[in-house]
Amino acid sequence: SYEVTQPPSVSVSPGQTARITCSGDALRNQYVYWYQQKPGQAPVLVIYKDSERPSGIPERFSGSSSGTTVTLTISGVQAEDEADYYCQSVDRSGSDWVFGGGTKLTVL
Amino acid sequence: EVQLVQSGAEVKKPGESLKISCKGSGYSFTNYWIGWVRQMPGKGLEWMGIIYPGDSDTRYSPSFQGQVTISADKSISTAYLQWSSLKASDTAIYYCARPPNVCSGDNCYMGGYMDVWGKGTTVTVSS
Repeated sequence: SYEVTQPPSVSVSPGQTARITCSGDALRNQYVYWYQQKPGQAPVLVIYKDSERPSGIPERFSGSSSGTTVTLTISGVQAEDEADYYCQSVDRSGSDWVFGGGTKLTVL
Repeated sequence: EVQLVQSGAEVKKPGESLKISCKGSGYSFTNYWIGWVRQMPGKGLEWMGIIYPGDSDTRYSPSFQGQVTISADKSISTAYLQWSSLKASDTAIYYCARPPNVCSGDNCYMGGYMDVWGKGTTVTVSS
C-alpha cells in the first residue's frame, strides 16, 4: 500500500485563491482525483485525472500536477466552497485505492 | 438517471451480524464496478473494497480484508456489505459508489475514481 498526504486545513477569504495539496511518492505515476464533501452529504467529484473537470463543476475548480504533488486550486473562492476536500488515487491494477486524510477549507 | 440507493440506518449491538445494501438503477449494473467507502464519525474517507457484479471479482483493502464481505446479486442490481460480528468501532457511515468505465476504442476499463455515490448508510453499534 502507499500513502497520500494533505494539509488538515486551509483558510482563505472570499474571492481569494485556495490551494490544497496532495503529496505522495506514488503520485509520480498515478492520477489523483478530488472530492468535495459538505456536512451531511456524500462526496462529490470535482476533479479527475489530476486536472479534468466533470460537467457541472464550476470553472473556478482546477487541478495541476508536479512530480509527487498534485494541487487542487479554487479561484475566486465563494462561501459555498467551504467543505472538506479529499484527494484519492489508485494503483494501475485498480486494487489499491487510497484517500488522503482530507483538508477542511474554511472561507473566512 | 443513474442512481445508487442505499438501505436505511441501522442500530445494532456488538456481536450481531448485519448486511447493508446498495441498489443501482439507470445503467447496466453488471458492467460497472461498485465500491464501498467508510467514514467514521468526524473522520475521513476510507476505501474498503470493490466488486464487479458481472463476475463477482472482488478486491479488498488490506485494512478491511477478513473484516467484511462484499457481494452482489446481479438479478436485482444490488451490492451488499456485510459483517458477521459487529464491533463498536464499526460505527460509521458507509457509502457505496460507482467508478465510470473508461473506453479507448474497443477497450474499456474501470476508471480510478467514483463519480456516482449513494447517500450513505449510517451504522451504529452500541450496547
